Amino acid sequence: DSGVTQTPKHLITATGQRVTLRCSPRSGDLSVYWYQQSLDQGLQFLIQYYNGEERAKGNILERFSAQQFPDLHSELNLSSLELGDSALYFCASSGDGGGVEQFFGPGTRLTVL
Amino acid sequence: GQQLNQSPQSMFIQEGEDVSMNCTSSSIFNTWLWYKQDPGEGPVLLIALYKAGELTSNGRLTAQFGITRKDSFLNISASIPSDVGIYFCAGTNYGQNFVFGPGTRLSVLP
Repeated sequence: DSGVTQTPKHLITATGQRVTLRCSPRSGDLSVYWYQQSLDQGLQFLIQYYNGEERAKGNILERFSAQQFPDLHSELNLSSLELGDSALYFCASSGDGGGVEQFFGPGTRLTVL
Repeated sequence: GQQLNQSPQSMFIQEGEDVSMNCTSSSIFNTWLWYKQDPGEGPVLLIALYKAGELTSNGRLTAQFGITRKDSFLNISASIPSDVGIYFCAGTNYGQNFVFGPGTRLSVLP
């Protein structure tokens, strides 16, 4: 158990809909990272937050957004969903802004029908 | 953008054999990381490398940070069935913009 929690574990929705994925980092970790993993693909870095502020942005679509709240939990919002958005979405946390040892949550499997 | 290549893409080995895999990049990184992912779970950090030329071990795993800072290698000695999974390398500079490789899928035959 990495100490990172993600909810929900599974999510099934329809095209055009909007969903919110939630992540709680390890106790004391200030950085949260979001990744997308499509079937049999590697991990695509989406976005990083550090102590509530956006720190780095990767290949995140404009239809996607994220935020980190004062209690350090983070949410990833996916809107106008398309079939191709079906994937595993992972959250990871690390100790500080420069911390490179990330600890991953169990992921949320999103299926868009 | 930055890309990592991993080889081999997949490998089948006999239990007890040693395994070698590598990761190459078109860009320099100042930190290399190796992760293992089991089916349906999140990646687990195996080894982190912070200095060019560094050789680091974690049990039966040994990883090296290439001296050009554009590659890294992972070796697993005396493989066992629980080594099955996907091994990902990742590179980062100063903890930002992590780039992951496509993974090496390892199967261990009894």
